[in-house]
Order: sequence, then structure tokens, then C-alpha cells
Amino acid sequence: QQQVKQSPQSLIVQKGGISIINCAYENTAFDYFPWYQQFPGKGPALLIAIRPDVSEKKEGRFTISFNKSAKQFSLHIMDSQPGDSATYFCAASMTDAGNNRKLIWGLGTSLAVNP
Amino acid sequence: EAQVTQNPRYLITVTGKKLTVTCSQNMNHEYMSWYRQDPGLGLRQIYYSMNVEVTDKGDVPEGYKVSRKEKRNFPLILESPSPNQTSLYFCASRTGGAYGYTFGSGTRLTVV
Repeated sequence: QQQVKQSPQSLIVQKGGISIINCAYENTAFDYFPWYQQFPGKGPALLIAIRPDVSEKKEGRFTISFNKSAKQFSLHIMDSQPGDSATYFCAASMTDAGNNRKLIWGLGTSLAVNP
Repeated sequence: EAQVTQNPRYLITVTGKKLTVTCSQNMNHEYMSWYRQDPGLGLRQIYYSMNVEVTDKGDVPEGYKVSRKEKRNFPLILESPSPNQTSLYFCASRTGGAYGYTFGSGTRLTVV
């Protein structure tokens, strides 16, 4: 049961274009939505995150858009660069019944930015 | 430099030969976790630890053991590895109040 659905699985964008990756969740108990970036041979690294009380968060060329009513959130990479080529994971976090923070991951999107 | 260090980076072993993958963090983080990453399956949590001597199962714990005798170390033990445990393994840590993880660089394990 995949609680966080991520699309597309892969994405090819031209340099300077906008990359958009979408995620949808089901459980309204999620209260923190991070995006991770993973380069080949490296572990995932926290890129940007948002809480459901805001609709948008921007950090440089990276923006998260959050739609609470639709239970969807997306990552926008403006002016995409070849150095942005990586796998991107969305995730959703909540406190479970045992008072543990649980992180549910999307399956990832492989982004290739052509020069 | 704040980091999570895993060793080894690459390991090829034979079925049934016990192995340990080490993980150490220098950030004084309370929370540590092990994940495995497989194509098409994303990241799946194996075990986690909320603090010293406190560990619990994640989503795919079968065939794995962990221990947390010191705050900085969280080794992953495969008592009798099988080929279906061939995977890319990541250790991660975070503070108790933070939600973002710091990941190690991964251990690519092949069991033949």
C-alpha cells in the first residue's frame, strides 16, 4: 500500500526549463512534507520541506506548492540546470500511535536536464 | 564535518555468511534508522532507534538485526544473508525534534 504516490517516474527537461514533480497522499495525519534529492552514489539529502499550514515555500530555484484540500504537493525547479539531474523523492511524515515520527516515501522521480 | 559514515561502501558476500554494516554519526542525534533502496520500491525502513538501547522494527525487518549500545553507532547485522537482501543500504540520523534526516553515502551489498 503506497501512501504517497509520486509522478512521473522519470522526467527529461531542457536546460532553463521548469521541472515539475507531483505527489499525492491519503492520510490527513501527515504534518510535514519534505523533498529529498539524491545524486548517484550518494545518500538522499533534504532539499526543501513544507508544513500543511502554508501553500507555498520557495528556496532559490526550488518551490513546493501544497494543496491541502486536494492532498497534493509538488516540487517545481525553475531554470533547471544539468547539475539538477538527480533522483527526487517526496515524503510525508506523521506521528504514529506509538508517538514515533514516521516518514513515508514516494518511489522517486529520475530527473535528467539536457544541456 | 557533520556526517553519517557507513562502512563498507561495497560488499560482496556469500549466502549464509554473517556480516555487519557499521554506521556512525557525529551530530549527537538521538534518532537513527536503516533503509534499503531497491529499484521500483523506493526507500524502505528496516529498523530504527529512538535512543540508546531503544530499537524497533520498520517496514521490512525480516533477516536483519540492529543494536544501539552507544548514541553514535547503529550497526546493521545480517546473521544469514540471502540473495534477496542484495540491495543498497542507507543509514540515517536526525535529532529528536527535527524531521529532516542526514543520510550516509550508502552500502551496496551483493549476496551471491
